[in-house]
Amino acid sequence: EAEVAQSPRYKITEKSQAVAFWCDPISGHATLYWYRQILGQGPELLVQFQDESVVDDSQLPKDRFSAERLKGVDSTLKIQPAELGDSAMYLCASSLLETQYFGPGTRLLVL
Amino acid sequence: RKEVEQDPGPFNVPEGATVAFNCTYSNSASQSFFWYRQDCRKEPKLLMSVYSSGNEDGRFTAQLNRASQYISLLIRDSKLSDSATYLCAVNDPTGTASKLTFGTGTRLQVTL
Repeated sequence: EAEVAQSPRYKITEKSQAVAFWCDPISGHATLYWYRQILGQGPELLVQFQDESVVDDSQLPKDRFSAERLKGVDSTLKIQPAELGDSAMYLCASSLLETQYFGPGTRLLVL
Repeated sequence: RKEVEQDPGPFNVPEGATVAFNCTYSNSASQSFFWYRQDCRKEPKLLMSVYSSGNEDGRFTAQLNRASQYISLLIRDSKLSDSATYLCAVNDPTGTASKLTFGTGTRLQVTL
């Protein structure tokens, strides 16, 4: 069964450092999503790509977060500089139509 | 009012019990609805889509009530392995067709 791949699975960093997360969607899925999930809450959409284009980044804190999907396949989410409040699970999902499938996530801890 | 609301629980039920969760949504124009299961520190996994006519998958039944703007998930004959958080997701008609808004999840604990 095809899966969404993410790396790293865990990341510990100090505040003000830069971090980057990588996601490889299910092959053939044109739509890719990055979510942030804080403990006890549901996933919150940060950015949505259709192929290589951003279609929704309204909730992305653009002063410190950036995302790209240059060739319309895999994607990178970057945070620079990281802040204590960024500690969360960062989930990537992909979809062919409406149903979204999630990767295992990257758990970020900012010290 | 939140766009998607769920009772966070926890719902503590004995093995074999039937349990039901509801999820209310605020936008009457929403068209797509899903239930996801999330184990502790894991990613959400799709449990089932929710169709207008309702749908069933083994011990799980999902229903949509458009008039009252909620979806429900019924679990029959609960197993210990059903212990998890159940997230509902509703498409956001103000965004792209595939944009989903998630509830905070309902935690289920099935006990012996």
